[in-house]
Amino acid sequence: NAGVTQTPKFRVLKTGQSMTLLCAQDMNHEYMYWYRQDPGMGLRLIHYSVGEGTTAKGEVPDGYNVSRLKKQNFLLGLESAAPSQTSVYFCASYGGLRGETQYFGPGTRLLVL
Amino acid sequence: AQSVSQHNHHVILSEAASLELGCNYSYGGTVNLFWYVQYPGQHLQLLLKYFSGDPLVKGIKGFEAEFIKSKFSFNLRKPSVQWSDTAEYFCAVNKKSSYKLIFGSGTRLLVRP
Repeated sequence: NAGVTQTPKFRVLKTGQSMTLLCAQDMNHEYMYWYRQDPGMGLRLIHYSVGEGTTAKGEVPDGYNVSRLKKQNFLLGLESAAPSQTSVYFCASYGGLRGETQYFGPGTRLLVL
Repeated sequence: AQSVSQHNHHVILSEAASLELGCNYSYGGTVNLFWYVQYPGQHLQLLLKYFSGDPLVKGIKGFEAEFIKSKFSFNLRKPSVQWSDTAEYFCAVNKKSSYKLIFGSGTRLLVRP
């Protein structure tokens, strides 16, 4: 049982390049989330999904797209990376049960030059 | 909009000192409350959570938090910190009806040996 995994762990991009971050969970959770973490700003929600085939915007969605084609995977895409997207990205999943909380992945550190 | 405030951005303590980190939230309805910890280079881990019942919640590693509804607060405490408690601590809140977490900006704790 790996929990929540993220690939890649670290990536350097040039401005304008595109990339996809992959999040996978093996807990059969319905809800999945993408956050970005920036110094002094905590975690901010980018996009989230309440089930396979559904996605919704969070607090800071601009410049990102997501897809949830399979229940266990949640992809975050950057179509044209900008230096402002330099950040640490965390994925999380949640089963939706009372008393439960979100489980976080190890993070992806992205540097956009 | 719902928000979470952590007033202490950086805290430096010596080992064996007592710790209290403040957390206030702005939402007036029924909420769930969480404290997460992020050790250097690692992902977020749940320290403790409050859903209902006894407002004094005990978590892992000797941490506890007290929910004071009248003050909209959920402060984290530990009677005697250790060097290994050096980490960043995040308070988070969600409405009972919501599956989205709102995070505070975090508090970086440095414990000197």
